[in-house]
Amino acid sequence: KQEVTQIPAALSVPEGENLVLNCSFTDSAIYNLQWFRQDPGKGLTSLLLIQSSQREQTSGRLNASLDKSSGRSTLYIAASQPGDSATYLCAASVAGGTSYGKLTFGQGTILTVHP
Amino acid sequence: GAVVSQHPSRVICKSGTSVKIECRSLDFQATTMFWYRQFPKQSLMLMATSNEGSKATYEQGVEKDKFLINHASLTLSTLTVTSAHPEDSSFYICSAREQGWYNYGYTFGSGTRLTVV
Repeated sequence: KQEVTQIPAALSVPEGENLVLNCSFTDSAIYNLQWFRQDPGKGLTSLLLIQSSQREQTSGRLNASLDKSSGRSTLYIAASQPGDSATYLCAASVAGGTSYGKLTFGQGTILTVHP
Repeated sequence: GAVVSQHPSRVICKSGTSVKIECRSLDFQATTMFWYRQFPKQSLMLMATSNEGSKATYEQGVEKDKFLINHASLTLSTLTVTSAHPEDSSFYICSAREQGWYNYGYTFGSGTRLTVV
């Protein structure tokens, strides 16, 4: 059974810092890994998706990497801003078996960027 | 990009009544939709997988008679919480995937906050 773990659980940084959020998964048989942002009381906004054959994806100040062999993904946020404050979730899609295509979520990292 | 609309965003109902939550894919056809439940300060828990035109597949421990799921068209799935009780109060989120989801991933609705009083 796929298990996804995110470290740290919470992170508080001053504005302007570069930061890294970590995500690890136990089963490397995935189709892709997706990073989401969730604001309080809201749904999920997709940030980046990395296919299993890819190593990284970039969007603006965000860069996500994937190392399937070690079961790890990182989300790098450059020059953090107060507006980046949210919960960040990673999710791995299961390849094959009865759980085909289902997403397994990590517990999330609560990010606070203070001015 | 793909958009999933979820309604209502908030609902308060009395104990014993039923509540229906709608999830619509606005600009794509979603052969598969998923329903999640999220408790405060916790991650998303998958409740069921809904395939258009067939019965939903429920995760272990989820009562299918309490959480009725209908996916009658390629753009609409509904979750009905029957005979709701205070312990059903939670945040419910749907997601949908389109063809080529390997490349595009999943799109989520904005969630529904259900409060049962």
